[in-house]
Amino acid sequence: AQRVTQPEKLLSVFKGAPVELKCNYSYSGSPELFWYVQYSRQRLQLLLRHISRESIKGFTADLNKGETSFHLKKPFAQEEDSAMYYCALSPMDSNYQLIWGAGTKLIIKP
Amino acid sequence: ETGVTQTPRHLVMGMTNKKSLKCEQHLGHNAMYWYKQSAKKPLELMFVYNFKEQTENNSVPSRFSPECPNSSHLFLHLHTLQPEDSALYLCASSQVAGATGELFFGEGSRLTVL
Repeated sequence: AQRVTQPEKLLSVFKGAPVELKCNYSYSGSPELFWYVQYSRQRLQLLLRHISRESIKGFTADLNKGETSFHLKKPFAQEEDSAMYYCALSPMDSNYQLIWGAGTKLIIKP
Repeated sequence: ETGVTQTPRHLVMGMTNKKSLKCEQHLGHNAMYWYKQSAKKPLELMFVYNFKEQTENNSVPSRFSPECPNSSHLFLHLHTLQPEDSALYLCASSQVAGATGELFFGEGSRLTVL
């Protein structure tokens, strides 16, 4: 079955510390993976996708097909990074279905 | 108004009421979606419209009835809902459904069913 797992419901780190938000997926083919973010009182929005291979707001994510993971990382957390983060998978053989993780709430402590 | 706009932002209704949620996008997109977001659960895709045609109905109960009169507007008609239908309903749009493009979300309609 196709599934996205974000094992941490809540992650709390101090400002300036490294951050890693975990995402594991279950899919036999070649997926496209995304990270979406929802800041307080704002709408859900795309943060980055693996095919872009870019860094957004200091965040990067590498697709590891061997470990079926797409963890989101930032070397030095900032207070404005506090938000809900959702990992999502788009199976290449699916038309319309993004498969979502349950989300991780990231809190950056001052 | 730009982006994706949803109204109302909050709605409280009884189980016998009929109400509608409205979504409008000003992005020139051709695909629109309804998602249900419940606490501590993944986003659940409900319906997809591509060029005004419904292309996905994710086993949603008939008490939820979508309507897409044109590519810019999407409605979700609600009738005889259950308390477990209380959730945040998100509308989203994208260039075309099926392409691996970005989804643009509205702020959501918070529904409470008494």
